[in-house]
Amino acid sequence: DAKTTQPPSMDCAEGRAANLPCNHSTISGNEYVYWYRQIHSQGPQYIIHGLKNNETNEMASLIITEDRKSSTLILPHATLRDTAVYYCIVRVAGNTGKLIFGQGTTLQVKP
Amino acid sequence: DTAVSQTPKYLVTQMGNDKSIKCEQNLGHDTMYWYKQDSKKFLKIMFSYNNKELIINETVPNRFSPKSPDKAHLNLHINSLELGDSAVYFCASSQGASGHHGYTFGSGTRLTVV
Repeated sequence: DAKTTQPPSMDCAEGRAANLPCNHSTISGNEYVYWYRQIHSQGPQYIIHGLKNNETNEMASLIITEDRKSSTLILPHATLRDTAVYYCIVRVAGNTGKLIFGQGTTLQVKP
Repeated sequence: DTAVSQTPKYLVTQMGNDKSIKCEQNLGHDTMYWYKQDSKKFLKIMFSYNNKELIINETVPNRFSPKSPDKAHLNLHINSLELGDSAVYFCASSQGASGHHGYTFGSGTRLTVV
């Protein structure tokens, strides 16, 4: 599975959009981009995943660049409850389900 | 109803003891996992079972033994506990061995070995 690079931390004002970047320059054609988050003292939570097209669900939007070497997770209206560590993971969909978590980005939403 | 539930939530025990952590999921998923999160907050997979069959067994000491009596349960038994086993253990489940449509994690079991 390709490696990912994320900034260690970010701040965002409550009510504003939070844009979390992820670099995955060695991604291969059959690898998906997944996002999970871990709110303090809880288990990780699945957010969204995509291959090449932009994706949106009730939690977030995922924007993947045309060359697929980077992506951005967008939380459109961040709330204090979105304060968490966000993990960007790249893996082949058909592989046996092993998520490799990096250090992630600690997002602090401030009032 | 909690989708993936683990018991106990906290476990404090002495070195050398044997302990078990239980996990149950009510999502109808066919694959279950154990992850370990150490003091530096890194999450690493330990084991995975698909339809009660072991499919992932990472480099974990053989003091750790998973047991899956059925698709809805995956328990973790740890023999001869050591100080380094102190961590938070997360159970998770997914539909399909690829986990492509997302994992659901439990809330974790904080194990402290003294």
